[in-house]
Amino acid sequence: GQQVMQIPQYQHVQEGEDFTTYCNSSTTLSNIQWYKQRPGGHPVFLIQLVKSGEVKKQKRLTFQFGEAKKNSSLHITATQTTDVGTYFCAGLGGGGADGLTFGKGTHLIIQP
Amino acid sequence: DGGITQSPKYLFRKEGQNVTLSCEQNLNHDAMYWYRQDPGQGLRLIYYSQIVNDFQKGDIAEGYSVSREKKESFPLTVTSAQKNPTAFYLCASSIWGGSTGPNTEAFFGQGTRLTVV
Repeated sequence: GQQVMQIPQYQHVQEGEDFTTYCNSSTTLSNIQWYKQRPGGHPVFLIQLVKSGEVKKQKRLTFQFGEAKKNSSLHITATQTTDVGTYFCAGLGGGGADGLTFGKGTHLIIQP
Repeated sequence: DGGITQSPKYLFRKEGQNVTLSCEQNLNHDAMYWYRQDPGQGLRLIYYSQIVNDFQKGDIAEGYSVSREKKESFPLTVTSAQKNPTAFYLCASSIWGGSTGPNTEAFFGQGTRLTVV
């Protein structure tokens, strides 16, 4: 079945530093979604990427979808304490029939 | 208020008992999902349903059962056959995009934390 790998598992940064998490799929994806889960909370949708090579920005967050639609990244510029949490990518396979497959997530820890 | 509601928030179960976790949504979504979250493991799909009276097994369906008698409701039963049921359970819903699968965001409930005692 489809597998979605996400690295790193944990990332410690100083406040103000940049942060990037990477997502790789074993198969070509129809689309990829990104979610954020605050400690003790539930995942909240951030964005969806559909097109090959697509880049989307939300303030300090930049999302990319690879040309082959098998990888994606989330980059946060100048992290703030409010960015703390776990960031998940979730891929939808080419057939679409199996629902979203989530990566294991990257835990972002920010030191003030 | 539109949204997806899970209950209870915390649940304790004795070994050998079945328990049912509730999930209700008023978003008029066709698709509903159950995920299990363990520390460091991300979200693993247990079951999902695209329409009423139909559901599909996910990656870790063994020891679980579901029903989808109403569009709004997708309860999950954790049976005694599930050997390691202690986990955080998340229910989600989304619009279903037909053969291309869900094409919009998934809305998650607040989760149910199940502990076997």
